[in-house]
Amino acid sequence: GAVVSQHPSWVICKSGTSVKIECRSLDFQATTMFWYRQFPKQSLMLMATSNEGSKATYEQGVEKDKFLINHASLTLSTLTVTSAHPEDSSFYICSAPLAVRYQETQYFGPGTRLLVL
Amino acid sequence: QQQVKQSPQSLIVQKGGISIINCAYENTAFDYFPWYQQFPGKGPALLIAIRPDVSEKKEGRFTISFNKSAKQFSLHIMDSQPGDSATYFCAGFNTNAGKSTFGDGTTLTVKP
Repeated sequence: GAVVSQHPSWVICKSGTSVKIECRSLDFQATTMFWYRQFPKQSLMLMATSNEGSKATYEQGVEKDKFLINHASLTLSTLTVTSAHPEDSSFYICSAPLAVRYQETQYFGPGTRLLVL
Repeated sequence: QQQVKQSPQSLIVQKGGISIINCAYENTAFDYFPWYQQFPGKGPALLIAIRPDVSEKKEGRFTISFNKSAKQFSLHIMDSQPGDSATYFCAGFNTNAGKSTFGDGTTLTVKP
């Protein structure tokens, strides 16, 4: 099946530092990838759509200067949390759509746990 | 506006019982309805999905029932096992947009 990986799986950083999270599609190409944020016991909140070769599309209320997204290749998207603060602590998950048997659906990475001290 | 409503929020079932999770959607642009299973600390994994032109789909112990006119669909887990304990998300997928809208999730606990 389709595999999406994320790195790192968890990260602890000091307040004010920047953290980069990578999302890779391992066995397929993805012109589009999605970044979600998930708080404990809550649903997935779409933050932005990452587009290969062009600017990301951010959901309403998400600060584009805070959450920098780069989709440099057909298999890699990165999310950089700039000047991280404790309120940015969360579970970040990426996904990529893939057509299987003529039906496209989303496949998710394992997630990255971010803790900002 | 919540486009996909999921219930119940939590569910406790005895081993061997049937777990039922319900979802209702509003957006008629959805053309595919996947269910995801998520274990703590992991990303969601695609479990089973259905197209709106099908009323039921079964894969092993998991069955989706779909009612297009009512804009409702449900997940049935037969012979529920403790290993099924997880959070389940229903979703409406818009192929044109290439992305899903998720329900709020149901935390299932299967007691031995």
